[in-house]
Amino acid sequence: NAGVTQTPKFRVLKTGQSMTLLCAQDMNHEYMYWYRQDPGMGLRLIHYSVGEGTTAKGEVPDGYNVSRLKKQNFLLGLESAAPSQTSVYFCASRTGGLRSYNEQFFGPGTRLTVL
Amino acid sequence: EDKVVQSPLSLVVHEGDTVTLNCSYEVTNFRSLLWYKQEKKAPTFLFMLTSSGIEKKSGRLSSILDKKELFSILNITATQTGDSAIYLCAFSGNTGKLIFGQGTTLQVKP
Repeated sequence: NAGVTQTPKFRVLKTGQSMTLLCAQDMNHEYMYWYRQDPGMGLRLIHYSVGEGTTAKGEVPDGYNVSRLKKQNFLLGLESAAPSQTSVYFCASRTGGLRSYNEQFFGPGTRLTVL
Repeated sequence: EDKVVQSPLSLVVHEGDTVTLNCSYEVTNFRSLLWYKQEKKAPTFLFMLTSSGIEKKSGRLSSILDKKELFSILNITATQTGDSAIYLCAFSGNTGKLIFGQGTTLQVKP
């Protein structure tokens, strides 16, 4: 099992460009999450999904869109990148229900720089 | 608004020291509190705590939750340089989400 994988690992964008980050998991997990991590701020939830075809907003959703067309994939899109979106992005997934919490498994991260 | 606060934000110790990391929370609908260790890349799971007063232990690491006073501590005894990392705590409610604290950066010097 590969676990949770993310592509790309690094990316440099210019302001206004768009891109999509791909997260894939092979553990048949229902729940998937996108976080960003900035120095001194821990992990902040951008969007998440509780199952195929569903998405919901997290703490910092502005400027991002997501899609979960297949259970194993969760895409994070930036339509018009801004320097404030320079960050490290982590994807995570977990099994279990809404009230039976299990640990999240994290991908290796994508380092994005917006110039 | 749900909030998780960790202290200290950074800590420098020498090998062999014992450290205590703190995590306090103000949240609604508490379900569990989780601790993660983050080295170069992705966070890795350490503990999940759901009940007060029951210590979870793994080698030199241990953690306990106090649901009355709304905090958790993570203890590391006989620290080693390999313990250098960011330690994250996170709260889980009944929405399927995790709310993370800012993290504590621990540096263990030889």
